[in-house]
Amino acid sequence: GDSVTQMEGPVTLSEEAFLTINCTYTATGYPSLFWYVQYPGEGLQLLLKATKADDKGSNKGFEATYRKETTSFHLEKGSVQVSDSAVYFCALISGGYNKLIFGAGTRLAVHP
Amino acid sequence: DGGITQSPKYLFRKEGQNVTLSCEQNLNHDAMYWYRQDPGQGLRLIYYSQIVNDFQKGDIAEGYSVSREKKESFPLTVTSAQKNPTAFYLCASSPPGQVQETQYFGPGTRLLVL
Repeated sequence: GDSVTQMEGPVTLSEEAFLTINCTYTATGYPSLFWYVQYPGEGLQLLLKATKADDKGSNKGFEATYRKETTSFHLEKGSVQVSDSAVYFCALISGGYNKLIFGAGTRLAVHP
Repeated sequence: DGGITQSPKYLFRKEGQNVTLSCEQNLNHDAMYWYRQDPGQGLRLIYYSQIVNDFQKGDIAEGYSVSREKKESFPLTVTSAQKNPTAFYLCASSPPGQVQETQYFGPGTRLLVL
């Protein structure tokens, strides 16, 4: 079945460091890909998405490119801030109905 | 402001008790979803509804029930048959239109067993 694999955390960075969180997927057909962010004690917020191969999603300095050849959707940010500390989830939707399939999440901790 | 509201923020359940979690949206979305989140894990789908008066089981529906009598509301009941109900419950909705639509999430309800 369809699945999403994310790099395990926690990822600990200093402020202004470069961030990469790896995400790979397995899906039949042509999924849409998403990154969601969860701040402590809160629900999930959509961070960015891409719906077809080579699309780049971007928001708040975060970017991810839909790579069909490597089945990947890695999240990147050039300079992280303390306020970026959160759990990041990679997810996909495929098939004929809107079932989101999530990775396990990656916790990011940014220190001043 | 349009959005998804969930109540209560925290809910305590006694052994053998049914409890109901509320989810309301004013986004005019057709589809609504319930997910369960356990510590250190991703979300798993409990139930979903694509239209009023219709709903389908997700991956972990045992011990849960739902109703969809109004477009705006999709309450989830955690029954006494759910033996491990302690978790963070998230409701989501998505707009009408194409498949693979983005889902938008509420703030969640944390359920604890006394």
